[in-house]
Amino acid sequence: GQNIDQPTEMTATEGAIVQINCTYQTSGFNGLFWYQQHAGEAPTFLSYNVLDGLEEKGRFSSFLSRSKGYSYLLLKELQMKDSASYLCAVLDSNYQLIWGAGTKLIIKP
Amino acid sequence: IAGITQAPTSQILAAGRRMTLRCTQDMRHNAMYWYRQDLGLGLRLIHYSNTAGTTGKGEVPDGYSVSRANTDDFPLTLASAVPSQTSVYFCASSDPQAGESNEQFFGPGTRLTVL
Repeated sequence: GQNIDQPTEMTATEGAIVQINCTYQTSGFNGLFWYQQHAGEAPTFLSYNVLDGLEEKGRFSSFLSRSKGYSYLLLKELQMKDSASYLCAVLDSNYQLIWGAGTKLIIKP
Repeated sequence: IAGITQAPTSQILAAGRRMTLRCTQDMRHNAMYWYRQDLGLGLRLIHYSNTAGTTGKGEVPDGYSVSRANTDDFPLTLASAVPSQTSVYFCASSDPQAGESNEQFFGPGTRLTVL
């Protein structure tokens, strides 16, 4: 079966750095996405990785290792507005997105 | 309209009733999707459509049907609602030809409660 694992919840301090991990086992791989979802709102796109390595976009970076079935999202200089759920999703061989359950990130002052 | 809209925003429905959730996008995206999101679970694909006139079943299609008469609209119908269909429903769209990422854009969601 297809499976995507990420921690249920993480807590971090404002101004700090946090890394949210995602491991996956899917039938085929055509890219990995990270989305942000604030409570009661729709998911919004953060990043896409299809090749191994680090993609940096402002305070957010995403890393992929296809051989390990592993990705992480790195958030720097945390702000209170970063409190949200972060969803990892893999595009499988049928070009359908398989979603993890999401990691709820709590930022404390 | 800008992006994707969904209606209604929320609904309380008696079990056994028929309900259609509406979804409209103005981005001329070919692909559209319906997901349900339940606490502790990831987004689960109900049905999808790669282009107008075609539809396909996702991971959890039972009890739901869709149609895609044109590019913009992708309604989801619950023929006879059951309490297990209580969930938040998201519609999304993407343009696979826009670039390699095939990013999906989401509507604001419909919160459905079946009693």
